[in-house]
Amino acid sequence: ETGVTQTPRHLVMGMTNKKSLKCEQHLGHNAMYWYKQSAKKPLELMFVYNFKEQTENNSVPSRFSPECPNSSHLFLHLHTLQPEDSALYLCASSQELWTGRSDTQYFGPGTRLTVL
Amino acid sequence: QKEVEQNSGPLSVPEGAIASLNCTYSDRGSQSFFWYRQYSGKSPELIMSIYSNGDKEDGRFTAQLNKASQYVSLLIRDSQPSDSATYLCAVKTLYTGTASKLTFGTGTRLQVTL
Repeated sequence: ETGVTQTPRHLVMGMTNKKSLKCEQHLGHNAMYWYKQSAKKPLELMFVYNFKEQTENNSVPSRFSPECPNSSHLFLHLHTLQPEDSALYLCASSQELWTGRSDTQYFGPGTRLTVL
Repeated sequence: QKEVEQNSGPLSVPEGAIASLNCTYSDRGSQSFFWYRQYSGKSPELIMSIYSNGDKEDGRFTAQLNKASQYVSLLIRDSQPSDSATYLCAVKTLYTGTASKLTFGTGTRLQVTL
């Protein structure tokens, strides 16, 4: 248990559905991240939020829409996804983003997403 | 050129042996280095971090860093079957003036055999 929770743990959706992934961290961190992990590929950083402000959108298609209402909660809204979007979606948090810090990221358990 | 490179494996070692996992990175400005362990179907779990050249030991794990060679490694002594997992190398690099990010390698799959 890392202090980062994600729901749901598994999700199957059709290409026309709209769903949301939720992440919550109980660590008092200020930075939160969404990653995508596909088979045989490195973890891909999707979005970064620092103190509720989005600091990075790593060329992610608009069918993925993040939301960060406060430093403890992060959502990923999904709509009109493609089968190739099937992957493990991981949320992570860290103390903050500033340089020179040695803090690292702690991951939630992930949501296994299957798009039919 | 990949930013963080790892041999995908599988690396197979007998129980009780030393497992040696290697990682190279391309950004000379990288500040911090991390090893994560990921069991199949689970999320990555931090096991070691290292910031200075040399060795850092924590129980059966030793991380080694050589910034001149842009090389970081993880040694696992007395390998156990429960160590069988994918080990991800992550490198913290600057991407804006005031922020940094973690870049991950593809991971090395370790198999500890009985």
